[in-house]
Amino acid sequence: GNSVTQMEGPVTLSEEAFLTINCTYTATGYPSLFWYVQYPGEGLQLLLKATKADDKGSNKGFEATYRKETTSFHLEKGSVQVSDSAVYFCASSGGGADGLTFGKGTHLIIQP
Amino acid sequence: SQTIHQWPATLVQPVGSPLSLECTVEGTSNPNLYWYRQAAGRGLQLLFYSVGIGQISSEVPQNLSASRPQDRQFILSSKKLLLSDSGFYLCAWSAGGASTDTQYFGPGTRLTVL
Repeated sequence: GNSVTQMEGPVTLSEEAFLTINCTYTATGYPSLFWYVQYPGEGLQLLLKATKADDKGSNKGFEATYRKETTSFHLEKGSVQVSDSAVYFCASSGGGADGLTFGKGTHLIIQP
Repeated sequence: SQTIHQWPATLVQPVGSPLSLECTVEGTSNPNLYWYRQAAGRGLQLLFYSVGIGQISSEVPQNLSASRPQDRQFILSSKKLLLSDSGFYLCAWSAGGASTDTQYFGPGTRLTVL
């Protein structure tokens, strides 16, 4: 079956630092790939997605590029803010109704 | 636009008591619906999903059950709660039919079993 692997953290950075959260996947076929963000005490919010190889998803200064050759979908942001502190989940779709396969989440802490 | 509601937002229950959590979706028809559990410090565990009224698929064996009495209503239940049932329960929906891609999550229910 599908699987998603991401660094669990916590990842601690200073404000305005460059962020990379690695995500790799294994899947049959051509899944869609997602990044979700979860702020404390809340549900998950879709941050960005990409549906095919070489697609770049972007939102709120975050970007991730679907790399089929390396089966990766790393999340990047050029300059993080304290408000970006949250847990970030990478996920892949299997194309069926049983939904998404999630990584274990990466806890990001941004210090002022 | 579509919205998803969950209630209650928080719940404290004694061991052995029953449970009923409700999830409703507005603004879409025939969605796929999902229940996840997120234990403290852990990732998401898919518990149940449903592609239509009365159709429930279980992903893990446990003392929980799910029902879908209406198209946009999804209920998570238990007859007797265990300590290990504590966690953050998330409901999600995705478009039904051929497009089963992006999932959209509700605000969650924090359950503490004492």
